Amino acid sequence: SQKIEQNSEALNIQEGKTATLTCNYTNYSPAYLQWYRQDPGRGPVFLLLIRENEKEKRKERLKVTFDTTLKQSLFHITASQPADSATYLCALGGKLQFGAGTQVVVTP
Amino acid sequence: GAGVSQTPSNKVTEKGKYVELRCDPISGHTALYWYRQSLGQGPEFLIYFQGTGAADDSGLPNDRFFAVRPEGSVSTLKIQRTERGDSAVYLCASSPDFTLAEYNEQFFGPGTRLTVL
Repeated sequence: SQKIEQNSEALNIQEGKTATLTCNYTNYSPAYLQWYRQDPGRGPVFLLLIRENEKEKRKERLKVTFDTTLKQSLFHITASQPADSATYLCALGGKLQFGAGTQVVVTP
Repeated sequence: GAGVSQTPSNKVTEKGKYVELRCDPISGHTALYWYRQSLGQGPEFLIYFQGTGAADDSGLPNDRFFAVRPEGSVSTLKIQRTERGDSAVYLCASSPDFTLAEYNEQFFGPGTRLTVL
């Protein structure tokens, strides 16, 4: 069956550093992959979409890579800020199959 | 502009009761999705509408769950004979057009927290 794995442990990081999150998937050949941010008590908010023929995509301080051979996507937050503290979810497919998410905590 | 809205924000019911959860998508969005999220988990797909029809209901856990979108806008998720295991946050999302990848960004509502006692 299709499976999406994200680090279950929270990522604690100091302000200004780069946070790197991992999303691994199995039994899936997605045409694209998405990353969402979710704050407590709120619905997910779209951040980035990367297609299978794109190796890397950037948006402001965010960078996503997509390696279809490794079946892995990396999500980077550079120059992290306390306001970046949230849970970050990767998702595959049109009707979106989500990973469990990784919580990021940025401390001043 | 208005985003996706969901009502009620919280719903507490007793085991065995019937509940309806409402979703108002972004105006003009043809695709509408329902997800269920349990604590510590990512959202889990339930059903997807393209226009008025349910294009994919493969995520509905059993026949106690049903959803409609009669006019291609507002959608209602209906749960019969609720069970304690149905307790979760029910999220609705909409997008302009499912068939175009670049428009597949989904816009989520705040969710309805359902508690079955």
